[in-house]
Amino acid sequence: GAVVSQHPSRVICKSGTSVKIECRSLDFQATTMFWYRQFPKKSLMLMATSNEGSKATYEQGVEKDKFLINHASLTLSTLTVTSAHPEDSSFYICSAPGTQNTDTQYFGPGTRLTVL
Amino acid sequence: GQQVMQIPQYQHVQEGEDFTTYCNSSTTLSNIQWYKQRPGGHPVFLIQLVKSGEVKKQKRLTFQFGEAKKNSSLHITATQTTDVGTYFCAVGANNLFFGTGTRLTVIP
Repeated sequence: GAVVSQHPSRVICKSGTSVKIECRSLDFQATTMFWYRQFPKKSLMLMATSNEGSKATYEQGVEKDKFLINHASLTLSTLTVTSAHPEDSSFYICSAPGTQNTDTQYFGPGTRLTVL
Repeated sequence: GQQVMQIPQYQHVQEGEDFTTYCNSSTTLSNIQWYKQRPGGHPVFLIQLVKSGEVKKQKRLTFQFGEAKKNSSLHITATQTTDVGTYFCAVGANNLFFGTGTRLTVIP
């Protein structure tokens, strides 16, 4: 089955620093990946659509200069949280559509970011 | 983006009792998906419903899509402790918009 990995699984950083999160499709190619954010006990909120070889598409209210997305290859998308602040602390999850059924999303294990 | 409301927000049941979560949309949906997220985990795809009035079963789980394709439900028969988690409905093609989720607690 389709497997999506994320790295790191947890990160703690100081306020003002930047953090990069990687999302990889391990056994399939993904021209599109999706980044979500989930606050504690809340639902997943779509942040942006990552497109291989082109600019990401951001949802309304998501600052593209703060959440930099790079989809440099068919198996890797990265999300960089720039100048992180405590309010950016959250669970960041990526997903990629399956190849056989593109309506099925395979989610990565998530990255828990804590900004001190 | 699209909005879907889910009820209830929380549900505590005794092991062996049934459980149902409902998802409602103000607009007609092309399809709806259901996901389960265990505590500390990530969402795992359960099923997709496409057809009006569709009913699908997975062992003790029964999924329904309303005739008007504006609502859906997930019913679990005779809950077990392994059913613990948050159940989300989600709509959209690839970029999913998730419902608010129903957090299920099963008391052994």
